Amino acid sequence: EVQLVESGGGLVQPGGSLRVSCAASGFTFSSYWMTWVRQAPGKGLEWLANIKDDGSETNFVDSVKGRFTFSRDNAKNSLYVQMSSLRVDDTAVYYCTRGRGSHYGVDYWGPGTLVTVSS
Amino acid sequence: DIQLTQSPSSLSASVGDRVTITCRTSQNIASYLNWYHQRPGKAPNLLIYATSHLQSGVPPRFSGSGSGTDFTLTISSLQPEDFATYYCQQSSSIPYTFGQGTKVEIK
Repeated sequence: EVQLVESGGGLVQPGGSLRVSCAASGFTFSSYWMTWVRQAPGKGLEWLANIKDDGSETNFVDSVKGRFTFSRDNAKNSLYVQMSSLRVDDTAVYYCTRGRGSHYGVDYWGPGTLVTVSS
Repeated sequence: DIQLTQSPSSLSASVGDRVTITCRTSQNIASYLNWYHQRPGKAPNLLIYATSHLQSGVPPRFSGSGSGTDFTLTISSLQPEDFATYYCQQSSSIPYTFGQGTKVEIK
C-alpha cells in the first residue's frame, strides 16, 4: 500500500526556518517524480515544486524561489522541503504527493502537515 | 504562469443529478489537464488525468473531455460521496497551477 507521511510542521515566527519531511513507503520511491502542494486555511491548492525521480531536476513556483529548498534522499525513501525566511502567507497545510510521471497529475497524497507562521 | 478559471465557483445539486464543471486555461495546454476532488478535512484525490483518463479505482460516473483551453468534468449521476470541492490542474507548463475550485453542495 502506498503511504506518504509528512512531518515537521508547527508554529514558527516570521523570518524563521523549518524543515518538513515526507516518508514514503509501499512503492519504489526512486522511480517516481514527487511533488509538494500546499493549501492555506480555507483556500485552494497551490503547486509548489516537483523533483525528478533521481533528484537531478527540480522545478518550483517563483513565490518560494530563494527561500525554499526541495530535495530527496532515495536511500531513505524521503522527500524534504527546507523553508527559510518564512512569511505569514506561507501558513498552510503542506502535502507530499507522488507524480504520475512528470505531466500526468499526482496520484497519491499524504495527509499533510500544518505550518503556521505567526508571531 | 498559466491561469485556470473554473465555473461555476459553487453549485447545488441533488443525488442523481448530472453535474458539469468547466475549466478554462489562459494558454493552450494540449491535453495536460487533471481533475481532483477534496472532501472537507481530507487530502485531494486524483479523478482524471490527461483530460479524459480515469484514475484507477475512480467510478465510471466521472468523465472528462476537452482540449486546448477548454475542459469539462462531468459526473453522470451525483452520489452522496461526491459532495466535495473539485479542482482542475494543468501540467503543461511549470508551475503546474490549479483552478480556484468548484464546491458541489447538496440541494
